[in-house]
Amino acid sequence: DADVTQTPRNRITKTGKRIMLECSQTKGHDRMYWYRQDPGLGLRLIYYSFDVKDINKGEISDGYSVSRQAQAKFSLSLESAIPNQTALYFCATKGEGSYNEQFFGPGTRLTVL
Amino acid sequence: GQSLEQPSEVTAVEGAIVQINCTYQTSGFYGLSWYQQHDGGAPTFLSYNALDGLEETGRFSSFLSRSDSYGYLLLQELQMKDSASYFCAVRDYDKIIFGKGTRLHILP
Repeated sequence: DADVTQTPRNRITKTGKRIMLECSQTKGHDRMYWYRQDPGLGLRLIYYSFDVKDINKGEISDGYSVSRQAQAKFSLSLESAIPNQTALYFCATKGEGSYNEQFFGPGTRLTVL
Repeated sequence: GQSLEQPSEVTAVEGAIVQINCTYQTSGFYGLSWYQQHDGGAPTFLSYNALDGLEETGRFSSFLSRSDSYGYLLLQELQMKDSASYFCAVRDYDKIIFGKGTRLHILP
């Protein structure tokens, strides 16, 4: 089984709809991250969390919200989706401190019509 | 804030050596990482430099100069499977910001 899973893998929705992307991990990591990837723009950090009570904004948090329901679960919500939120979304985890490697989920391809 | 600059594309020949550069500006710096991403896949970790100097892992090496806010990834003995995008990423404590990526094209 994959260490970092994302659901759904693909989603098509309409402008104005609320949508939630979910991420689960079995690595036991405290740090969890949400990124979006657009062609030519690399990976941009949306939100990150150090533990259940610690949520931090990233580079592009406007229009998004997150929830850290448990150490293993980190959800990303679009309260009212708009077409320019069409992108590939990745969740990632990282161990504390000196553990430097981030582990990425397989990604969710979101299309907002 | 943070910003990272890396070339958008690099082309090299199979069997050759290629270097992908990365310059960064950050308010805090704990280290520089490199990731590889094949088309349709997720990024995978290649290397991390916290201190100045060269780190070697098989055919891949990564270099860091903190005084120059500069690093590079060196790929030796290029293989066709190395065709991918490569990202540098700056770690500011545990906030991790990525560059826009370098697309590596390998010619036979």
